[in-house]
Amino acid sequence: DAKTTQPPSMDCAEGRAANLPCNHSTISGNEYVYWYRQIHSQGPQYIIHGLKNNETNEMASLIITEDRKSSTLILPHATLRDTAVYYCIVRSTGGGNKLTFGTGTQLKVEL
Amino acid sequence: NAGVTQTPKFRVLKTGQSMTLLCAQDMNHEYMYWYRQDPGMGLRLIHYSVGEGTTAKGEVPDGYNVSRLKKQNFLLGLESAAPSQTSVYFCASSFLGVGKNIQYFGAGTRLSVL
Repeated sequence: DAKTTQPPSMDCAEGRAANLPCNHSTISGNEYVYWYRQIHSQGPQYIIHGLKNNETNEMASLIITEDRKSSTLILPHATLRDTAVYYCIVRSTGGGNKLTFGTGTQLKVEL
Repeated sequence: NAGVTQTPKFRVLKTGQSMTLLCAQDMNHEYMYWYRQDPGMGLRLIHYSVGEGTTAKGEVPDGYNVSRLKKQNFLLGLESAAPSQTSVYFCASSFLGVGKNIQYFGAGTRLSVL
């Protein structure tokens, strides 16, 4: 699985967009980009995933660069409840569909 | 629809004691996983299962055993607990689908080994 690099922490004002970057320069053609988040002490929660096209759901948007070497998770209107650790994971299908969690980005949303 | 349920939520063991953590899912998922999370770290995979009756080792399997006798249940056993196994344990399940590594997690079991 490709390695990912994320900033250890970010701050965002409530109501503003939170843009969380992820670098995955060694990504392979069949690897998807997944984003999960973990609110303090809870189990991780799936947010969104994509292969090469940009994706949007009710929680967030995922922007993947054309060369697929990096991506950005966008929370369009961050709230205090979005304060969490956000994990970017790159994975292909198969092999038990295992996910490798790094240390992620601690997003703190403030008033 | 309960999703993924872990029992117990908290447990304190003495060194050398044994225990079993239970994970149950009601989503008919094929795949199930056990992770541990130590303070300030990401989740690390202990064991996983791709179907009833099958298990496989993950990144940190030593000191743990698992069983998947029923599709909906995945048990994690500690035969002789050690202080190094103090951690938060998370169970997850996922369905089989191309490009869909969507795992659903339980609330966790907080284990302290004294």
